[in-house]
Amino acid sequence: AQSVAQPEDQVNVAEGNPLTVKCTYSVSGNPYLFWYVQYPNRGLQFLLKYITGDNLVKGSYGFEAEFNKSQTSFHLKKPSALVSDSALYFCAVRALDDKIIFGKGTRLHILP
Amino acid sequence: EAQVTQNPRYLITVTGKKLTVTCSQNMNHEYMSWYRQDPGLGLRQIYYSMNVEVTDKGDVPEGYKVSRKEKRNFPLILESPSPNQTSLYFCASSLTGLGNQPQHFGDGTRLSIL
Repeated sequence: AQSVAQPEDQVNVAEGNPLTVKCTYSVSGNPYLFWYVQYPNRGLQFLLKYITGDNLVKGSYGFEAEFNKSQTSFHLKKPSALVSDSALYFCAVRALDDKIIFGKGTRLHILP
Repeated sequence: EAQVTQNPRYLITVTGKKLTVTCSQNMNHEYMSWYRQDPGLGLRQIYYSMNVEVTDKGDVPEGYKVSRKEKRNFPLILESPSPNQTSLYFCASSLTGLGNQPQHFGDGTRLSIL
């Protein structure tokens, strides 16, 4: 079955420390992968995507993600966390039938 | 400004009373979709539309209807709402339905069915 997993419901990081939000996927064929962020009372906002090419993808607000085909992972990273990065983060993947499957989300808390 | 607009943002209603949530995008996008967001379940797709007059079921279509008569509009219809449809709903659009472009989301509609 095609799926996306975000193994952590919540991640806590001290401000200024590096952060990682994990995502693994299971789809047939070459995956298209996305990260979105959701702030309170708002819709999801696009952060970055991997379609093809360089495995390290850079996106908005200083975020980046690394595509790892052998581990079927697409972890979101940032070198130095800000309190304003606190939000709900979703990983998504395009499935074989062109549908987009979303993970269940990871709540990121950046502690001042 | 490029945007997806949903109305209403909040609605409390009663079981069985038909309601419509409107969605409009101003980006000339071909693809539009409806999702519901529930705690612990993430986003689940209800219906999607690849273009005008083309709609298809997502993962949780039961109890919902949609139509796509114009490119910019994609209303979600609950003909006989029930309490298990209490949720946060999002409309989204993207340039095409190929899956290689990001989706633009509205700010959500919080529905409470009593």
